[in-house]
Amino acid sequence: DAKTTQPTSMDCAEGRAANLPCNHSTISGNEYVYWYRQIHSQGPQYIIHGLKNNETNEMASLIITEDRKSSTLILPHATLRDTAVYYCIVNHGSNSGYALNFGKGTSLLVTP
Amino acid sequence: EPEVTQTPSHQVTQMGQEVILRCVPISNHLYFYWYRQILGQKVEFLVSFYNNEISEKSEIFDDQFSVERPDGSNFTLKIRSTKLEDSAMYFCASSGGSDTGELFFGEGSRLTVL
Repeated sequence: DAKTTQPTSMDCAEGRAANLPCNHSTISGNEYVYWYRQIHSQGPQYIIHGLKNNETNEMASLIITEDRKSSTLILPHATLRDTAVYYCIVNHGSNSGYALNFGKGTSLLVTP
Repeated sequence: EPEVTQTPSHQVTQMGQEVILRCVPISNHLYFYWYRQILGQKVEFLVSFYNNEISEKSEIFDDQFSVERPDGSNFTLKIRSTKLEDSAMYFCASSGGSDTGELFFGEGSRLTVL
């Protein structure tokens, strides 16, 4: 699976949009971009995923560049409960399931 | 909302003892996973399980580890002879099918080996 690069940490003011970048320049054509987060050692939580089109759900939006070499996760109105480590993962999956490589992620701190 | 449940939440054991961690995946899911996270480190894949057999495993998942789904609902991880370095949080996860990487994780079982 392609390697991803994320900033180690970011801050965001409560109520503002949090934009978390991810580079995945070696992504291949059949690989999806997944975002998960982990709130203080709880189990990881799925947020969103995409292949090449931008995606939006009730939690976040995912913007993937046209060349698919990078993406941005957007939390439109960050709350204190969004403080977590955010993982950008590239994976193609298979019939054997998903061996996700979580990496070190971005530690997002949402401040009052 | 359906969820993955894990027991125990915390287990303390002596080095060399056998440990079984239990998980109840979401009922209609087909794929089951164990991941672990050593304190302060990243979440690591251990094993995936589908159709009553291991479908993929990492280098971490050596002969000391085994998994089974004994009764069609529980999914267990056994560590035969625990080592100090097995101390970690162990996360069970399940997913509905091979066409999505949306894994649902449990809250974890913290294993402390003394």
